[in-house]
Amino acid sequence: QVQLQQSGPGLVRPSQTLSLTCDISGDSVSSIRAAWNWIRRSPSGGLEWLVRTYYRSKWFSDYAVSVRSRININPVTSRNQLSLQLNSVTPEDTAVYYCAREQSSTYDTWGQGILVTVSS
Amino acid sequence: QSALTQPRSVSGSPGQSVTISCTGTSNDVGAYDYVSWYQQHPDKAPKLIIYDVNKRPSGVPDRFSGSKSGNTASLTISGLQPEDEADYFCCSWAGTFTFWVFGGGTMLTVL
Repeated sequence: QVQLQQSGPGLVRPSQTLSLTCDISGDSVSSIRAAWNWIRRSPSGGLEWLVRTYYRSKWFSDYAVSVRSRININPVTSRNQLSLQLNSVTPEDTAVYYCAREQSSTYDTWGQGILVTVSS
Repeated sequence: QSALTQPRSVSGSPGQSVTISCTGTSNDVGAYDYVSWYQQHPDKAPKLIIYDVNKRPSGVPDRFSGSKSGNTASLTISGLQPEDEADYFCCSWAGTFTFWVFGGGTMLTVL
């Protein structure tokens, strides 16, 4: 059974960097059948896809246009982890952040979610 | 503003049926059969309930069904039960520039 366990700070100051980690168990971050995503749910309610990474003989990453210039996703193969960094945050980045496994064009496994508040 | 449009809320009585719509464009919902639906209870992670427009994962009751017509996908829940009260989100593949888009979510109230 695949499980995703997220960790990271719940409060980030404006203009700073938001950093989150997703520990993967029951699957490999290097799996050739999966992609690993970050998705957030804002206080207004909607879900927003942010970024994904996947391994197909080499690493690939795809980014949402809205955050492309300030987001990084990194697979940490030695720890079977996924990391997220979002730079220059503003209060509009306040949301619950989820890591999720994408397989066969669906999100079949989600992390528990972390509420990140951007505030001074 | 979300890329896919869903009603903010719907409601129904136990035993009734409700349908939640998800309207996109010819670049996402209308172009691909990669529409999925997720159920989210408060303070829980989303749960996949429909994928590829109308397929159910193992363990999801057949009361949940999905369909698509043109640029609009729909989720129908028949025989409503109290535990169906939750938020529901649709999601669609939107090609290799936009990738994935979601709806704004629909709150289902079981009266």
